[in-house]
Amino acid sequence: QVQLQESGPGLVKPSETLSLTCSVSGDSISSGDHYWSWIRQTPGKGLEWIGFIYYTGTTYYNPSLKSRLKLSVDTSKNQFSLELHSVTAADTAVYYCAREGILIRAFDYWGQGTPVTVSS
Amino acid sequence: EIVLTQSPGTLSLSPGERATLSCRASQRVSNNYLAWYQQNLGQAPRLLIYGASDRATGIPDRFSGSGSGTDFTLTISRLEPEDFAVYYCQQYGGTPWTFGQGTKVEI
Repeated sequence: QVQLQESGPGLVKPSETLSLTCSVSGDSISSGDHYWSWIRQTPGKGLEWIGFIYYTGTTYYNPSLKSRLKLSVDTSKNQFSLELHSVTAADTAVYYCAREGILIRAFDYWGQGTPVTVSS
Repeated sequence: EIVLTQSPGTLSLSPGERATLSCRASQRVSNNYLAWYQQNLGQAPRLLIYGASDRATGIPDRFSGSGSGTDFTLTISRLEPEDFAVYYCQQYGGTPWTFGQGTKVEI
């Protein structure tokens, strides 16, 4: 059974970097059968796709976040990570990691989500 | 980017009734790459439909998707108590992928 689990600080100060990791079990990131995505959700803006990474390190970022975003992958740990720099209160959200098919580019497995608050 | 507009915002129905949810795109969704998700309070979204009309694994056949181009519909033929939730459409036909704002189906 495929499972994804987000981890990271729940509180980040403004202007600092938000860092999250997604641990994958039941599937191998290095199989190359899927892309691995981050999505966030706020009451005001709803669901927002952040970007995806492939096991080779190839990435695609949402242009709205591209200048502040870095995704990385560690196939030895079967994990992928997100770094969002220079955060503001607008980055306060529930952050989800999700699996996306190569052919069916919908999100078929999601983590449970982790809430992140940006506040001093 | 493609903007998805869902209607209605809230749908008030009773168990056993039929639910019809709409998702309209600001431009044509390539290859009808449109998905539907169900989200219960405090949980992650769950994939119901992909490719506008294909049910995801394990999804009951009371859920069906239809439409093409810019207009898409999710139909729940007979509402079960566990179907009262928020539903989102999402397009993956053009980057960045985008989501609709959601339709809440309430009793």
